[in-house]
Amino acid sequence: DIQMTQSPSSLSASVGDRVTITCRASQSISSSLNWYLQESGKAPKLLIYAASSLQSGVPSRFSGSGSGTDFTLTISSLQPEDFATYYCQQSYSSPRTFGQGTRVEIK
Amino acid sequence: EVQLVESGGGLVQPGGSLRLSCAASGFSLSGYEMNWVRQAPGKGLEWVSYISAGGSTIYYTDSVKGRFTISRDNANNLLYLQMDSLRAEDTAVYFCARIYPTRKGPFDYWGQGTLVSVSS
Repeated sequence: DIQMTQSPSSLSASVGDRVTITCRASQSISSSLNWYLQESGKAPKLLIYAASSLQSGVPSRFSGSGSGTDFTLTISSLQPEDFATYYCQQSYSSPRTFGQGTRVEIK
Repeated sequence: EVQLVESGGGLVQPGGSLRLSCAASGFSLSGYEMNWVRQAPGKGLEWVSYISAGGSTIYYTDSVKGRFTISRDNANNLLYLQMDSLRAEDTAVYFCARIYPTRKGPFDYWGQGTLVSVSS
C-alpha cells in the first residue's frame, strides 16, 4: 500500500495568514493527489484534485501543487471558516490511502 | 442536487452484525464507483471498501476482509455494507463516498456519515 505522510500534524495560525501543508507519498503517484477539508463533526469536502485542480465552488485562496512524491496545499489568506482538519489522499492505486491529517487551529 | 444519505448505524455487541445503507439521489448510482470510508473517534480517515460501477470489482482494507461485504443495488440507487463479526476497533463513523468518474478520480461527494459503536 502507498503510505501518505502529512506535515505538520497541527498548526496555529491567524486570520489572514498564508498557510502551507505538505504531503509526501511513499512512492511516485504522478499527480493523483487530492486534498479534503473536514470541519468537526462533518463529512470531508473535496478541495483540490489531481494535485492542482480546484474543485467547483472552492475559493481561489486554496491552491495545490506538486507531482511524483511531494505535494503542497496552500491557503493564501486564512479565513475563519478554514479552521479545520485537512487530509491528502492518493488516487493512484487501491487502496486509496489518506494522510493522517493536519489540524489548523486559531492562534 | 447530488446527495448521499447513510443509515443503519447503531450500538452492537462484539461479534454482532450491522448492515449499513447509502441512498443516492440526484444522480444514477449505476454510473459511479463507490466507497466506504470510516473515521474512529478522534482519528483520521480510513478507506474501508470499494465497489466498481457494475459491482464486478471489489476491494477491502485488510482489517475487514472476510468480515465485511460491500454490495450495490443500482436499480434502486442503494449502496450497502454488511458488517459481521464486529470488533471494538470497528467503532467509527462510516461514510459512503462517490468517485468522480475520471481516471483516478477523487471522492467528490460524501454522505453525512452513520455512527457504528461496538461495545458490550
